[in-house]
Amino acid sequence: NFMLTQPHSVSESPGKTVTISCTRSTGSIATNYVQWYQQRPGSSPTTVIYEDSQRPSGVPDRFSGSIDSSSNSAALTISGLKTEDEADYYCQSFGNNWGVFGGGTRLTVL
Amino acid sequence: QVQLVQSGAEVKKPGASVKVSCKASGYIFTTYGISWVRQAPGQGLEWMGWIDTSKGNTNYAQNFEGRLTLATDTFTSTVYMDLRSLRSDDTAVYYCARDRRQFFGYGTDYWGQGTLVTVSS
Repeated sequence: NFMLTQPHSVSESPGKTVTISCTRSTGSIATNYVQWYQQRPGSSPTTVIYEDSQRPSGVPDRFSGSIDSSSNSAALTISGLKTEDEADYYCQSFGNNWGVFGGGTRLTVL
Repeated sequence: QVQLVQSGAEVKKPGASVKVSCKASGYIFTTYGISWVRQAPGQGLEWMGWIDTSKGNTNYAQNFEGRLTLATDTFTSTVYMDLRSLRSDDTAVYYCARDRRQFFGYGTDYWGQGTLVTVSS
């Protein structure tokens, strides 16, 4: 089974761009889709990216997702940061019959 | 509109079992799978398992093999999560979530409100 590793925390100023990485430990990052979820305190998670780079309706185009086979990682990029983007972000992927989340990244917008 | 409504908070003693329900509405129940995810206090998300609501097939995380059962009632559009032999480290908020597709491995789009399960003697 593989693991997904995320930075524990990132911080950036309003209006700037931040990228959160999600590195797969074994096997290719391209083998299974990667999803990204946003979770604000006291709330259920919501999807901001699915199937590596697809954005659900209602999610601003400031959010984008990508995968990089050379680093075996997925990335969530948020541009034009707003204070409302401050939250925990989790990547998720799957094996043949099981799922796994990254440990989560706390984004602080200060 | 799609809604997943979960049953209320539970307090259980170590060794007991808990059954959490997740009632779906606003879509054709059997055309999307349902996943279960939990979150211990102050911790990250943990994937628990998945059920095909049409056929009843299930996938479980290794951590829960033998203790977790997911079941579906298509007449009431409800999925049940049954966790047995509870320990204190099972204290968590338990979420159900609708998968994006009927097939496994595509992530989720709608989430329930979460059910707090507290395990304490």
